[in-house]
Amino acid sequence: EVQLVESGGGLVQPGGSLRLSCAASGFTFSRYWMHWVRQAPGKGLVWVSRINSDERTTNYADSVKGRFTISRDNAKNTLYLQMNSLRVEDTAVYYCARVAGDSFFDVWGQGTTVTVSS
Amino acid sequence: IQMTQSPSTLSASVGDRVTITCRASQSISKWLAWYQQKPGKAPKLLIYAASTLQSGVPSRFSGSGSGTEFTLTISSLQPDDFATYYCQRYDDYPLTFGGGTKVEIK
Repeated sequence: EVQLVESGGGLVQPGGSLRLSCAASGFTFSRYWMHWVRQAPGKGLVWVSRINSDERTTNYADSVKGRFTISRDNAKNTLYLQMNSLRVEDTAVYYCARVAGDSFFDVWGQGTTVTVSS
Repeated sequence: IQMTQSPSTLSASVGDRVTITCRASQSISKWLAWYQQKPGKAPKLLIYAASTLQSGVPSRFSGSGSGTEFTLTISSLQPDDFATYYCQRYDDYPLTFGGGTKVEIK
């Protein structure tokens, strides 16, 4: 079964850091571009970042550029999102998602919740 | 490029034909996907390339459009279809989603 499982969310104070992980199984992880998408409470979906299959190309939303870093370990079938200098407005459910060819998402994880609050 | 969905909320009954519109602020050709999301769950891909049905998605869902105007149609609304629907453009980065359309029971 194709599956993505996120972990690493939690409560953090403004200015703090968290690292999210997304464990992939059931498919050849190294062949796929991977993304992070977030959803603030009661709000819509917002694209955060992507990394290509060989880890050489990354993109970020302007709102997280310079604070978040996406990475992957193809040997461990795992995607990461290092989040630094967290702000209250980063509070959201963070989903990892697989891209199928073009940049639409055919597989999503269940999400992990990040709460930034003092 | 901004993506604008309408309506933001839609009240309908089982069996109704439902149409949701997504407009792009400039042409995105056919690079549009539609997702369904239920409360507390991850989004589910319904349609990509504006009109291609994802494998396993019921045929009552269909998509159309190109350029700047797109529609998602549910031909006969089923109880399982009450959810929020999002469009997403993927012609370029940053990827953007529409604001969502919540389909409620009338």
